[in-house]
Amino acid sequence: KAGVTQTPRYLIKTRGQQVTLSCSPISGHRSVSWYQQTPGQGLQFLFEYFSETQRNKGNFPGRFSGRQFSNSRSEMNVSTLELGDSALYLCASSPRLSLNEKLFFGSGTQLSVL
Amino acid sequence: AQKITQTQPGMFVQEKEAVTLDCTYDTSDPSYGLFWYKQPSSGEMIFLIYQGSYDQQNATEGRYSLNFQKARKSANLVISASQLGDSAMYFCAMREDSYNFNKFYFGSGTKLNVKP
Repeated sequence: KAGVTQTPRYLIKTRGQQVTLSCSPISGHRSVSWYQQTPGQGLQFLFEYFSETQRNKGNFPGRFSGRQFSNSRSEMNVSTLELGDSALYLCASSPRLSLNEKLFFGSGTQLSVL
Repeated sequence: AQKITQTQPGMFVQEKEAVTLDCTYDTSDPSYGLFWYKQPSSGEMIFLIYQGSYDQQNATEGRYSLNFQKARKSANLVISASQLGDSAMYFCAMREDSYNFNKFYFGSGTKLNVKP
């Protein structure tokens, strides 16, 4: 089974631009969540989707948005990029919503904002 | 308050020795899950071990074991017989049994260096 696939792997943008990151979960996984990882703040929860519905959202400004498609693939969008948005963005999927269900992570998209 | 605290930013261990990575957590939820992940320099988070709050025994997975002390709210990861490939960042994480099912709280991580 293929793992969680994130594209692109690396991205360089300038301030004010917008960006779209893509995530393909493991086949059969309906839950997709996104995390932002920075050296200063560590891993922070962005949002989670289950069956095309956003179930949870972290404490991020409205410039961060996402969606999930009927095939469970997910995209996240960041508009009006700021220098502080430079980070590794990790996508994770899981088949069910249960306490002991681990997250399967992709390799991430490294976003650099210049 | 921090949900997950990892107080060791970096650690060194000699190859073939055991090492303990500390993790304390904070929750008022009686039902929760604790996870450890490894993140090599490639960036991907690799699941290592899981402990449920109601599990009576400490979890073990190969060379990994979890020293779960519920009263102290600690969930330390023990790696036995360290290998060079164990050099990586290690994250402790928690999920509470609440509406926020798939929201994980992560600690700041511990960078482990295994010396030959």
